[in-house]
Amino acid sequence: ETVMTQSPATLSVSPGERATLSCRASQSVSNTLAWYQQKPGQAPRLLIHAASTRATGIPARFSGSGSGTEFTLTISSLQAEDFAVYYCQQYNNWPLTFGGGTKVEIK
Amino acid sequence: EVQLVESGGGLVPPGGSLRLSCAASGFTFRSYDMNWVRQAPGKGLEWVAFVSTSGSTTYYADSVKGRFTISRDNAENSLYLQMNSLRAEDTAVYYCARDYPASGGDYCDYWGQGTLVTVSS
Repeated sequence: ETVMTQSPATLSVSPGERATLSCRASQSVSNTLAWYQQKPGQAPRLLIHAASTRATGIPARFSGSGSGTEFTLTISSLQAEDFAVYYCQQYNNWPLTFGGGTKVEIK
Repeated sequence: EVQLVESGGGLVPPGGSLRLSCAASGFTFRSYDMNWVRQAPGKGLEWVAFVSTSGSTTYYADSVKGRFTISRDNAENSLYLQMNSLRAEDTAVYYCARDYPASGGDYCDYWGQGTLVTVSS
């Protein structure tokens, strides 16, 4: 099983600032990495797939990078609606595995 | 518009059974593999099970293997999860999620709103 580790667990950021979230895989997953956003009481929403491809309708302020075992999600200028929990997930092999999440909170 | 609507959750005693359903609309259901993913209260996401378009191929997380069965009815545009021998640690919101066949593997591109399963006496 590929273990996904996200850091930090909580990120305090002011609106308009940049947020950088990290995700590490216990073994190489190539670029088969997705990022999801989840707000309280809501289902996860796909943001990024193939490590860096934005899903339909996702604003350009969200960007993903990385390959192999190290990945990054960057939110260039945080908006009020971006405060949420973010999960990475590898889909290179079964079982699909998620990171523990990073909560982005208002500073 | 893709819609996935789960139902069937509720309170069940340890050792009991429950069957979850997911009604799909807005896309050609028979053309997509499907998944169940769960989230324990205050915790992260855990993938549970996968079923192929025809239902002939299934995968399960080790934590549910032998207890849960995923299935589908393409004529009814519905996905199911039969859960037996339920344990307290199965308490979670259960989401059905559409599987998108990407290069190198599959990810979940659309998710339902979830249904809560509580296992408690």
